[in-house]
Amino acid sequence: KAGVTQTPRYLIKTRGQQVTLSCSPISGHRSVSWYQQTPGQGLQFLFEYFSETQRNKGNFPGRFSGRQFSNSRSEMNVSTLELGDSALYLCASEAGGRSNTEAFFGQGTRLTVV
Amino acid sequence: AQSVAQPEDQVNVAEGNPLTVKCTYSVSGNPYLFWYVQYPNRGLQFLLKYITGDNLVKGSYGFEAEFNKSQTSFHLKKPSALVSDSALYFCADLNYGQNFVFGPGTRLSVLP
Repeated sequence: KAGVTQTPRYLIKTRGQQVTLSCSPISGHRSVSWYQQTPGQGLQFLFEYFSETQRNKGNFPGRFSGRQFSNSRSEMNVSTLELGDSALYLCASEAGGRSNTEAFFGQGTRLTVV
Repeated sequence: AQSVAQPEDQVNVAEGNPLTVKCTYSVSGNPYLFWYVQYPNRGLQFLLKYITGDNLVKGSYGFEAEFNKSQTSFHLKKPSALVSDSALYFCADLNYGQNFVFGPGTRLSVLP
Protein backbone atom coordinates (compact mmCIF):
# COMPACT_ATOMS: atom_id res chain seq x y z
CA LYS A 1 0.00 0.00 0.00
CA ALA A 2 1.09 3.56 -0.62
CA GLY A 3 3.12 5.27 2.06
CA VAL A 4 2.86 8.74 3.50
CA THR A 5 3.12 11.39 0.80
CA GLN A 6 4.33 14.90 1.49
CA THR A 7 4.27 17.66 -1.07
CA PRO A 8 6.17 19.56 -2.15
CA ARG A 9 9.54 17.97 -1.37
CA TYR A 10 11.40 21.26 -1.51
CA LEU A 11 10.37 24.88 -1.08
CA ILE A 12 12.18 28.18 -1.08
CA LYS A 13 10.34 31.14 0.36
CA THR A 14 11.16 34.69 1.32
CA ARG A 15 10.92 36.10 4.83
CA GLY A 16 7.44 37.40 5.55
CA GLN A 17 5.70 35.10 3.09
CA GLN A 18 3.45 32.25 4.07
CA VAL A 19 3.62 28.61 3.06
CA THR A 20 1.33 25.59 3.01
CA LEU A 21 2.62 22.04 3.19
CA SER A 22 0.56 18.95 2.47
CA CYS A 23 0.54 15.44 3.86
CA SER A 24 -1.48 12.47 2.61
CA PRO A 25 -1.48 9.66 5.19
CA ILE A 26 -1.64 5.96 4.58
CA SER A 27 -5.09 4.89 3.50
CA GLY A 28 -7.25 4.18 6.53
CA HIS A 29 -5.08 6.12 8.94
CA ARG A 30 -6.93 8.88 10.74
CA SER A 31 -4.12 10.49 12.71
CA VAL A 32 -1.59 12.87 11.21
CA SER A 33 1.17 14.49 13.25
CA TRP A 34 3.64 17.14 12.17
CA TYR A 35 7.24 17.53 13.31
CA GLN A 36 9.91 20.11 12.62
CA GLN A 37 13.49 18.92 12.26
CA THR A 38 16.41 21.34 12.50
CA PRO A 39 20.10 20.76 13.22
CA GLY A 40 19.93 22.88 16.36
CA GLN A 41 16.65 21.80 17.92
CA GLY A 42 16.31 18.28 16.55
CA LEU A 43 12.86 16.83 16.07
CA GLN A 44 10.09 18.82 17.68
CA PHE A 45 6.39 18.08 17.76
CA LEU A 46 4.11 20.66 16.14
CA PHE A 47 0.59 19.25 16.34
CA GLU A 48 -1.57 16.23 15.72
CA TYR A 49 -4.90 15.92 13.97
CA PHE A 50 -7.33 13.06 14.34
CA SER A 51 -10.64 12.91 12.50
CA GLU A 52 -10.39 16.57 11.50
CA THR A 53 -9.78 17.76 15.07
CA GLN A 54 -6.55 18.97 16.59
CA ARG A 55 -5.91 16.46 19.34
CA ASN A 56 -2.55 17.63 20.61
CA LYS A 57 -0.33 20.65 20.15
CA GLY A 58 3.34 21.37 20.74
CA ASN A 59 5.01 24.54 21.87
CA PHE A 60 5.14 26.55 18.66
CA PRO A 61 3.89 30.10 18.01
CA GLY A 62 0.52 30.75 16.48
CA ARG A 63 2.12 31.36 13.08
CA PHE A 64 2.12 27.60 12.77
CA SER A 65 -1.29 26.14 12.11
CA GLY A 66 -2.80 23.10 10.56
CA ARG A 67 -5.95 21.39 9.52
CA GLN A 68 -7.20 18.01 8.47
CA PHE A 69 -9.77 17.19 5.85
CA SER A 70 -12.44 14.52 5.85
CA ASN A 71 -10.21 12.24 3.76
CA SER A 72 -7.53 12.53 6.50
CA ARG A 73 -5.19 14.58 4.33
CA SER A 74 -3.58 17.32 6.37
CA GLU A 75 -2.06 20.68 5.65
CA MET A 76 0.13 22.84 7.78
CA ASN A 77 0.54 26.53 7.24
CA VAL A 78 3.26 28.86 8.40
CA SER A 79 2.58 32.56 8.13
CA THR A 80 5.03 35.46 8.24
CA LEU A 81 8.00 33.20 7.64
CA GLU A 82 11.22 33.77 9.54
CA LEU A 83 14.71 32.57 8.71
CA GLY A 84 14.54 30.21 11.68
CA ASP A 85 11.61 28.38 10.12
CA SER A 86 14.01 26.79 7.66
CA ALA A 87 13.73 23.11 8.45
CA LEU A 88 12.66 19.68 7.32
CA TYR A 89 8.98 19.26 8.11
CA LEU A 90 7.90 15.68 8.61
CA CYS A 91 4.44 14.30 8.92
CA ALA A 92 3.58 10.99 10.54
CA SER A 93 0.57 8.84 9.85
CA GLU A 94 -0.99 6.48 12.37
CA ALA A 95 -4.10 4.37 12.49
CA GLY A 96 -5.12 6.35 15.54
CA GLY A 97 -4.74 4.02 18.49
CA ARG A 98 -1.63 5.84 19.74
CA SER A 99 0.10 3.67 22.29
CA ASN A 100 0.15 0.41 20.40
CA THR A 101 0.61 1.62 16.89
CA GLU A 102 3.69 2.72 15.07
CA ALA A 103 3.97 5.96 13.18
CA PHE A 104 4.85 5.98 9.50
CA PHE A 105 6.74 9.05 8.40
CA GLY A 106 6.79 10.78 5.05
CA GLN A 107 10.01 11.88 3.36
CA GLY A 108 9.44 15.42 4.49
CA THR A 109 9.28 18.87 2.96
CA ARG A 110 12.48 20.83 3.13
CA LEU A 111 11.64 24.50 3.57
CA THR A 112 14.29 27.13 3.06
CA VAL A 113 13.50 30.70 4.05
CA VAL A 114 15.74 33.35 2.50
CA ALA B 1 8.74 16.70 31.65
CA GLN B 2 9.47 13.69 29.53
CA SER B 3 12.91 13.65 28.01
CA VAL B 4 15.09 11.29 26.04
CA ALA B 5 18.86 11.47 25.92
CA GLN B 6 21.29 9.97 23.48
CA PRO B 7 24.69 10.60 25.03
CA GLU B 8 26.72 10.01 21.88
CA ASP B 9 26.51 12.31 18.86
CA GLN B 10 28.50 9.87 16.77
CA VAL B 11 29.26 6.17 16.95
CA ASN B 12 31.86 4.56 14.70
CA VAL B 13 32.09 0.82 14.32
CA ALA B 14 33.84 -1.53 11.91
CA GLU B 15 31.72 -3.66 9.61
CA GLY B 16 31.04 -7.04 11.16
CA ASN B 17 31.50 -5.81 14.70
CA PRO B 18 28.62 -5.47 17.16
CA LEU B 19 27.12 -2.04 17.54
CA THR B 20 25.37 -0.25 20.38
CA VAL B 21 23.56 3.07 20.22
CA LYS B 22 22.69 4.35 23.67
CA CYS B 23 19.45 5.88 24.90
CA THR B 24 18.30 6.91 28.35
CA TYR B 25 14.94 8.29 29.29
CA SER B 26 13.38 10.38 31.99
CA VAL B 27 9.63 9.94 32.08
CA SER B 28 6.98 9.76 34.69
CA GLY B 29 4.78 6.74 34.46
CA ASN B 30 5.41 3.90 32.05
CA PRO B 31 7.60 4.72 29.07
CA TYR B 32 6.62 3.81 25.55
CA LEU B 33 10.00 3.67 23.82
CA PHE B 34 10.79 3.57 20.13
CA TRP B 35 13.78 3.53 17.83
CA TYR B 36 13.65 5.16 14.41
CA VAL B 37 16.32 5.43 11.71
CA GLN B 38 16.75 8.22 9.19
CA TYR B 39 18.70 7.90 5.96
CA PRO B 40 19.85 11.03 4.08
CA ASN B 41 16.98 13.07 2.63
CA ARG B 42 14.45 10.57 3.93
CA GLY B 43 11.84 10.44 6.64
CA LEU B 44 12.03 8.28 9.73
CA GLN B 45 11.72 4.52 9.51
CA PHE B 46 10.44 2.47 12.43
CA LEU B 47 12.85 -0.10 13.85
CA LEU B 48 11.26 -1.36 17.06
CA LYS B 49 9.29 -0.42 20.13
CA TYR B 50 8.86 -1.32 23.77
CA ILE B 51 5.42 -0.91 25.29
CA THR B 52 5.25 -3.70 27.82
CA GLY B 53 6.32 -7.32 28.18
CA ASP B 54 9.74 -8.78 27.45
CA ASN B 55 12.60 -6.43 28.09
CA LEU B 56 14.43 -7.62 24.97
CA VAL B 57 12.70 -6.34 21.87
CA LYS B 58 13.57 -7.55 18.39
CA GLY B 59 12.97 -5.30 15.42
CA SER B 60 13.66 -4.73 11.76
CA TYR B 61 16.94 -5.37 9.93
CA GLY B 62 18.42 -7.47 12.75
CA PHE B 63 18.25 -4.73 15.38
CA GLU B 64 17.21 -5.33 18.95
CA ALA B 65 16.95 -3.23 22.08
CA GLU B 66 16.91 -3.96 25.76
CA PHE B 67 14.65 -2.09 28.13
CA ASN B 68 16.32 -1.64 31.52
CA LYS B 69 14.05 0.01 34.04
CA SER B 70 16.61 0.30 36.83
CA GLN B 71 19.04 2.11 34.53
CA THR B 72 16.28 3.93 32.62
CA SER B 73 17.92 2.85 29.40
CA PHE B 74 16.82 1.46 26.05
CA HIS B 75 20.00 0.80 24.10
CA LEU B 76 19.84 -0.29 20.47
CA LYS B 77 22.06 -3.19 19.46
CA LYS B 78 23.00 -5.30 16.48
CA PRO B 79 25.36 -8.28 16.59
CA SER B 80 27.09 -7.57 13.29
CA ALA B 81 27.08 -4.12 11.70
CA LEU B 82 26.71 -3.51 7.97
CA VAL B 83 27.95 -0.50 6.02
CA SER B 84 24.32 0.04 4.99
CA ASP B 85 23.41 0.59 8.67
CA SER B 86 25.15 3.96 8.53
CA ALA B 87 22.45 6.51 9.27
CA LEU B 88 20.99 8.78 11.94
CA TYR B 89 19.24 6.95 14.77
CA PHE B 90 16.60 8.43 17.02
CA CYS B 91 15.29 7.13 20.30
CA ALA B 92 11.84 8.40 21.28
CA ASP B 93 9.27 8.19 24.02
CA LEU B 94 5.59 8.35 23.19
CA ASN B 95 4.64 11.04 25.63
CA TYR B 96 1.61 9.73 27.57
CA GLY B 97 0.56 8.02 24.37
CA GLN B 98 0.31 11.35 22.54
CA ASN B 99 3.24 12.81 20.65
CA PHE B 100 6.80 11.56 20.28
CA VAL B 101 9.55 13.14 22.35
CA PHE B 102 12.73 12.44 20.41
CA GLY B 103 16.31 12.27 21.53
CA PRO B 104 18.84 14.42 19.68
CA GLY B 105 19.93 11.58 17.45
CA THR B 106 23.11 9.55 17.07
CA ARG B 107 24.96 9.33 13.80
CA LEU B 108 26.19 5.81 13.20
CA SER B 109 29.07 5.25 10.80
CA VAL B 110 29.96 1.69 9.89
CA LEU B 111 33.39 1.55 8.36
CA PRO B 112 34.22 -1.08 5.75
